[in-house]
Amino acid sequence: GAVVSQHPSRVICKSGTSVKIECRSLDFQATTMFWYRQFPKQSLMLMATSNEGSKATYEQGVEKDKFLINHASLTLSTLTVTSAHPEDSSFYICSAPSGGANTEAFFGQGTRLTVV
Amino acid sequence: AQTVTQSQPEMSVQEAETVTLSCTYDTSESNYYLFWYKQPPSRQMILVIRQEAYKQQNATENRFSVNFQKAAKSFSLKISDSQLGDTAMYFCAFMRYTGTASKLTFGTGTRLQVTL
Repeated sequence: GAVVSQHPSRVICKSGTSVKIECRSLDFQATTMFWYRQFPKQSLMLMATSNEGSKATYEQGVEKDKFLINHASLTLSTLTVTSAHPEDSSFYICSAPSGGANTEAFFGQGTRLTVV
Repeated sequence: AQTVTQSQPEMSVQEAETVTLSCTYDTSESNYYLFWYKQPPSRQMILVIRQEAYKQQNATENRFSVNFQKAAKSFSLKISDSQLGDTAMYFCAFMRYTGTASKLTFGTGTRLQVTL
């Protein structure tokens, strides 16, 4: 089946620094990718929809200047957490629909971000 | 907006037994899909089963089946012959369908523990 690769799987950064998370579709093209955030023992909450060649669409309450999304190619979307703070510590997961009318979404392995 | 409700935070079942996880949803959409995803301790999201709203027949995938009651907006998951490897968080999810896959709205999840 289709594979979505997310990197890094874990990252620890200092407060005030920026962290970039990559999400790649390895064997299919993804014009759209989705970024979710998951707090411990909670559900996945959609942060934004990444659109290839255009601006991302952010969900209400998500700071677009803090969570920068770039979808530069049909196989890569990046999420940059800028000026990270401890409250940004979370598990971030990307997903990509497999394409066309197919409704299956493939998920990356997730990134555990810890801001110290 | 869509909402997905899972009223069972935790469930436990003995190996080889059957367990049913509940899910209800609310939407005004007519064209949508419903999913059950499994998230084991690795946190990789795995698709368990998918149901198209326009299909009356309940979806089945080996030991997994659903009871889809469209009028009641209910979508429960039945796991037969439970195995230790079924231990995981299970998320019910809704997707509005407009010809291509779109974002998922997740329930709060049910933690399933399969015991010997």
